[in-house]
Amino acid sequence: EDQVTQSPEALRLQEGESSSLNCSYTVSGLRGLFWYRQDPGKGPEFLFTLYSAGEEKEKERLKATLTKKESFLHITAPKPEDSATYLCAVQPDTGRRALTFGSGTRLQVQP
Amino acid sequence: SAVISQKPSRDICQRGTSLTIQCQVDSQVTMMFWYRQQPGQSLTLIATANQGSEATYESGFVIDKFPISRPNLTFSTLTVSNMSPEDSSIYLCSVEGSTGGRYNEQFFGPGTRLTVL
Repeated sequence: EDQVTQSPEALRLQEGESSSLNCSYTVSGLRGLFWYRQDPGKGPEFLFTLYSAGEEKEKERLKATLTKKESFLHITAPKPEDSATYLCAVQPDTGRRALTFGSGTRLQVQP
Repeated sequence: SAVISQKPSRDICQRGTSLTIQCQVDSQVTMMFWYRQQPGQSLTLIATANQGSEATYESGFVIDKFPISRPNLTFSTLTVSNMSPEDSSIYLCSVEGSTGGRYNEQFFGPGTRLTVL
């Protein structure tokens, strides 16, 4: 059974204080690892897909990395508008297309 | 990426009644997914809906409680039947779409926030 664990559950940062969010996963074979951002009352917004260990992707202040057991979402010099819940999900290489999600990290960036 | 709309955006319903949620996509997609997000929780898959075939339900979800229709490649409905307060959740429609990557990504609609009294 695929499993995704995210840590920490909640993170409070000062504006400009860089940090990382962790996503540990267990899957028989990985087709893709997804990162989403979710604002309160809205659906998840797609950020990145990572496919293989060593891969990195960047978008503005966000950088996602992938190893064989975990992924990190690095946030550099965050701003208050980066405050949201960040979700990690995995898709196995079994042909199953639905995603298994972690419980998310609630990020609050204070000015 | 696909643009997805859901109706209604929110509703308050009485226990024992049913609600049908609509999901409309701006392009033809093969696979659509319905997820549930209970208060303070992450997303849980209810079922996968392919056009022209019966929906495939996850463990713990049954067709009598969550019937799904998929009449064409741009539309689907999820009905929450005989509702109880435990059904209070956000219901999310998702589809696969391409951003030019190796495989298709999954994109989500804005969700339907359901409260059952």
